[in-house]
Amino acid sequence: GAVVSQHPSRVICKSGTSVKIECRSLDFQATTMFWYRQFPKQSLMLMATSNEGSKATYEQGVEKDKFLINHASLTLSTLTVTSAHPEDSSFYICSARDFKGLETQYFGPGTRLLVL
Amino acid sequence: AQSVTQLDSQVPVFEEAPVELRCNYSSSVSVYLFWYVQYPNQGLQLLLKYLSGSTLVKGINGFEAEFNKSQTSFHLRKPSVHISDTAEYFCAVSEWEYGNKLVFGAGTILRVKS
Repeated sequence: GAVVSQHPSRVICKSGTSVKIECRSLDFQATTMFWYRQFPKQSLMLMATSNEGSKATYEQGVEKDKFLINHASLTLSTLTVTSAHPEDSSFYICSARDFKGLETQYFGPGTRLLVL
Repeated sequence: AQSVTQLDSQVPVFEEAPVELRCNYSSSVSVYLFWYVQYPNQGLQLLLKYLSGSTLVKGINGFEAEFNKSQTSFHLRKPSVHISDTAEYFCAVSEWEYGNKLVFGAGTILRVKS
């Protein structure tokens, strides 16, 4: 149980284009999903908290117009990197929290984004 | 504010030897504590968690951790490691008052040598 998937696993795009990453909870309902960014050899940094049916809450320093988050259902959240630039290249990981177990987050396998 | 310190960035150890990965946290209130493992180019997998109750927590793959409130520590241990345990391990803390958002340590790379 508690499986989270992400799609795509890897994406390469040109500078200036937008990229959408999907995060799905496969066997549970996630009222809250989180989006993290991980640079090489570094820990995870929380970007935003996504609650189903409401606006995402962004961490300080994260541009909400650059990283658009939508959480339209209890099993799906999307992160769209708009007008991507090379400095947006990173490993993006989502996690989901079961509404029955509010303490524990289950992580997706991550999406490697490379912007050329 | 919460913070997590993982005292060792890398821990080399021989196969079948015991290992301890250290984690200390700072918080003024009750916390939840977690250990996650990350294999190269993959997401995080939950190893174990402490929410309440017994301070000795057993997780998957033979790992265990002990919550020590007085020392604000949550060290991860395994009595005998395998090559397949080579990975990066993250300690994390969350508090109800902060919406149970996870704060991660910097990570410890465990390298198991044959």
